[in-house]
Amino acid sequence: GQQLNQSPQSMFIQEGEDVSMNCTSSSIFNTWLWYKQDPGEGPVLLIALYKAGELTSNGRLTAQFGITRKDSFLNISASIPSDVGIYFCAGRTQGAQKLVFGQGTRLTINP
Amino acid sequence: DAGVIQSPRHEVTEMGQEVTLRCKPISGHDYLFWYRQTMMRGLELLIYFNNNVPIDDSGMPEDRFSAKMPNASFSTLKIQPSEPRDSAVYFCASTLSGRWTDTQYFGPGTRLTVL
Repeated sequence: GQQLNQSPQSMFIQEGEDVSMNCTSSSIFNTWLWYKQDPGEGPVLLIALYKAGELTSNGRLTAQFGITRKDSFLNISASIPSDVGIYFCAGRTQGAQKLVFGQGTRLTINP
Repeated sequence: DAGVIQSPRHEVTEMGQEVTLRCKPISGHDYLFWYRQTMMRGLELLIYFNNNVPIDDSGMPEDRFSAKMPNASFSTLKIQPSEPRDSAVYFCASTLSGRWTDTQYFGPGTRLTVL
């Protein structure tokens, strides 16, 4: 089945640093999404991307839809303690309703 | 507005027992998804419904798992009999069809422990 490779699996950074994570796939996706999951909660959508090459920002978060449609990147600038959590990428193919999720990137921030 | 509601939040049971997880989607949403999350396998889609009809249950691990959606405001995921390897967090999510289908709203999850 379809799989998304998300990296890194975990990150340990200092408060204030920038963060980068990415997802790659062997399949083409028409939609890329980035979710964040806080402990004890369900994932919450951060950014949705619908067009190859698209670059979208949401506050300190910026995500890009790769031009090949097989990858996506998420950057977080000037990290703060509340950025701690697990970040998931998800992809959706044309005409499909279900999402394929990456394995997640666990972000830990040292104050 | 109330989000997706799941109950119970935590369930501890013994192997062989029947487990029923419940979900109330956001009012007006026409898609409902059941996911399972484990450390080893991540977030997996088990089944999803559209207008109360099961559309794709290819992610349901085996016959011990069943899901129903008797009406637009209620769905259940049942495991009978339960096994220790079923221990996981089970999420329900709902969305409204259209471009914003991708904005799946997740419930808080049910953490299931099978002893």
